[in-house]
Amino acid sequence: GAGVSQSPSNKVTEKGKDVELRCDPISGHTALYWYRQSLGQGLEFLIYFQGNSAPDKSGLPSDRFSAERTGGSVSTLTIQRTQQEDSAVYLCASSLLALNTGELFFGEGSRLTVL
Amino acid sequence: KNQVEQSPQSLIILEGKNCTLQCNYTVSPFSNLRWYKQDTGRGPVSLTIMTFSENTKSNGRYTATLDADTKQSSLHITASQLSDSASYICVVSVDDYKLSFGAGTTVTVRA
Repeated sequence: GAGVSQSPSNKVTEKGKDVELRCDPISGHTALYWYRQSLGQGLEFLIYFQGNSAPDKSGLPSDRFSAERTGGSVSTLTIQRTQQEDSAVYLCASSLLALNTGELFFGEGSRLTVL
Repeated sequence: KNQVEQSPQSLIILEGKNCTLQCNYTVSPFSNLRWYKQDTGRGPVSLTIMTFSENTKSNGRYTATLDADTKQSSLHITASQLSDSASYICVVSVDDYKLSFGAGTTVTVRA
């Protein structure tokens, strides 16, 4: 696609429910990143994919969070048993090259509200 | 403690005026320093990328400077427009896949 696409753009859920967020990166970009942005905070790194593998999952806040990427393209971030503190904007980004040289392109984000 | 600190947290300027945003970082070593613009409800969009050997880089009315010795960067907005109202985020590249983000400066341009 022309840009990084994320869905849903907004999600309101009840505490304890599972949610799934989707990211479709720019075609040909092998690197994909998930970040979380809370109000007044800097973006928080969650996970990084190179192709279908995730060399670094260190940013996932708890075992309720998981992510996968299939076919070197679409990625899903799953949050199980959501808690109110999970409310945030979840941003996906992709890059063609490594970040020490390459540009990073962000999607519009998925705003999650846990009631 | 965040490795990238931005100031001010927010500012209001009149249309047509200039402003300068500051970024101090403690990340070391670093590969590059980036400035992003994030409109409300949108994803961040890149303005400039500078390596440690570059002192300045411009993108239209946006000019970023970098002093790698003092670990400071600034973003200067010239002749501000209403569309410049956004959050401006300073980002330092730690390695080939990890970035350290500042909390951002919210700029409001008023007519």
